[in-house]
Amino acid sequence: ETGVTQTPRHLVMGMTNKKSLKCEQHLGHNAMYWYKQSAKKPLELMFVYNFKEQTENNSVPSRFSPECPNSSHLFLHLHTLQPEDSALYLCASTEVRGLNTEAFFGQGTRLTVV
Amino acid sequence: QKEVEQDPGPLSVPEGAIVSLNCTYSNSAFQYFMWYRQYSRKGPELLMYTYSSGNKEDGRFTAQVDKSSKYISLFIRDSQPSDSATYLCAMSRSNDYKLSFGAGTTVTVRA
Repeated sequence: ETGVTQTPRHLVMGMTNKKSLKCEQHLGHNAMYWYKQSAKKPLELMFVYNFKEQTENNSVPSRFSPECPNSSHLFLHLHTLQPEDSALYLCASTEVRGLNTEAFFGQGTRLTVV
Repeated sequence: QKEVEQDPGPLSVPEGAIVSLNCTYSNSAFQYFMWYRQYSRKGPELLMYTYSSGNKEDGRFTAQVDKSSKYISLFIRDSQPSDSATYLCAMSRSNDYKLSFGAGTTVTVRA
């Protein structure tokens, strides 16, 4: 158990559905991330929140909408997704200090868009 | 050119062998280097964390960083079937909380 919990673990949704992924961290960290992991490709950083402020949006399509209500919770709202959006979505958290620090990951949500 | 290059393998070794994994990178500003292990259907877990050049050892695992060559390595001694996983390298710059990842190398240790 890494201290980062993601729900649901698996999600199948149609292209017209709206769903949300949830992430909660119990580590007292102040930065949270969404990554997309597709087969044989590096993890793609999607969004970063530092102290609840979004500091990074790596040209992610607007059908993905993040929300960070506080430093412990992070959501990814999904709507009108495409089949190519099927992937493992990983949440991570870290403590931003003067020096860098490592990221701790959740178990991921395996998303299938049909 | 990708910022971080990692051979995806797969790599298959017999139990007890030494597993050698590596990544190359292009950004000379990277200062922090990490190796993550990811089991099937799980999220990545931090395995090793090093700062700047040098070696770091933790049990059967040794991480090496050669900044002059922009090359990092992970060695697993006396490999076990439980080491079968995908190994991801990651790195970042100072005062930057964004990580750049390699594609991951899938390792199978045969009993």
